[in-house]
Amino acid sequence: DAGVIQSPRHEVTEMGQEVTLRCKPISGHDYLFWYRQTMMRGLELLIYFNNNVPIDDSGMPEDRFSAKMPNASFSTLKIQPSEPRDSAVYFCASGPQGLNEQFFGPGTRLTVL
Amino acid sequence: QKEVEQNSGPLSVPEGAIASLNCTYSDRGSQSFFWYRQYSGKSPELIMFIYSNGDKEDGRFTAQLNKASQYVSLLIRDSQPSDSATYLCAVNYGATNKLIFGTGTLLAVQP
Repeated sequence: DAGVIQSPRHEVTEMGQEVTLRCKPISGHDYLFWYRQTMMRGLELLIYFNNNVPIDDSGMPEDRFSAKMPNASFSTLKIQPSEPRDSAVYFCASGPQGLNEQFFGPGTRLTVL
Repeated sequence: QKEVEQNSGPLSVPEGAIASLNCTYSDRGSQSFFWYRQYSGKSPELIMFIYSNGDKEDGRFTAQLNKASQYVSLLIRDSQPSDSATYLCAVNYGATNKLIFGTGTLLAVQP
């Protein structure tokens, strides 16, 4: 079975540019999570969806960040405009209904110059 | 106070020894507890979960939960150099599906 798929795996951009990260969850999973990981702050939950509906976006750092889930097999995390402090690894994870296990994708390493 | 606390390590153990990793949490409403392993440059990988007080064994791994003390641990028996990684403790937040992660403990198994 395919796991969580993320693209791109690496992204290098310049400050002020728009960045879009993509995620395909595991088929049949009803929950989708977006995390950010840095050395300083560890793994932080940004937002999560249940059945394509955003449930908790309290971790989204600023209005520059937005996330969408137009259908059960696709989600995006957008940063506009990007800043150097957004440099991090962004993980997408998915999980089944009724359980709390989460399965992570390979991550997108974002570097904002 | 951090919601999920772990000693950052590094925890160094010789090959074949038992590695003991510990985690405390602050939310008494938490019901689900997870251990993830993260190799350098890779994504977190779920290795154990536990919901009830006591011990849960899976191969060389044993998770222990004590809700009264708000404490969860992971024991790795017969540690191998391939176990060298950062181990993340995660706890669900209240009655939600939201997980709060600790900052992780770096384990180094010396051959």
